[in-house]
Amino acid sequence: GDSVTQMEGPVTLSEEAFLTINCTYTATGYPSLFWYVQYPGEGLQLLLKATKADDKGSNKGFEATYRKETTSFHLEKGSVQVSDSAVYFCALNTGFQKLVFGTGTRLLVSP
Amino acid sequence: DGGITQSPKYLFRKEGQNVTLSCEQNLNHDAMYWYRQDPGQGLRLIYYSQIVNDFQKGDIAEGYSVSREKKESFPLTVTSAQKNPTAFYLCASSLKDGGGNGYTFGSGTRLTVV
Repeated sequence: GDSVTQMEGPVTLSEEAFLTINCTYTATGYPSLFWYVQYPGEGLQLLLKATKADDKGSNKGFEATYRKETTSFHLEKGSVQVSDSAVYFCALNTGFQKLVFGTGTRLLVSP
Repeated sequence: DGGITQSPKYLFRKEGQNVTLSCEQNLNHDAMYWYRQDPGQGLRLIYYSQIVNDFQKGDIAEGYSVSREKKESFPLTVTSAQKNPTAFYLCASSLKDGGGNGYTFGSGTRLTVV
């Protein structure tokens, strides 16, 4: 079945460092791909999405490119802030199916 | 503004009591979902509903029940049969495509059973 694999956390960075959180997927068909962010004690918020190969989703300085050849959707940010500390979830959807979530990656940014 | 509301934010119950968590959305979404999240863990699907008066079990439905009498509402009851109910519960909704446009999540209910 469809699945999403994320890098294990926590990812610990200093402020202004470059961020990469890896996400790879297995899916039948052509999935839509998503990144969600969860701040402490809150629900998940959609951060960005891409619906077809080579699409780049972007929001709040975060970017991810849908790479069909490597079945990946890695999340990147050029300069992280303390306020980016959160848990990030990669997810996919194929057709009329439920979202499949990865296990989440915790990001900790120190001043 | 359209959104999805979960209430209450914090809930305390004694062991052996049933408790109902509320989830209401005004996004005109067809599908609704309940997830459980344990500390440091990912999301586990409890129940979902794609249309009024119909719902399906997710991966961990035992000890939980739901109803979908109105499109806007999808309450979750945690019964006394649920062995370890203390957790963070998240409700979500989506268009009928099952999530092709993503889910909208509520802010969650933290249930503590003492």
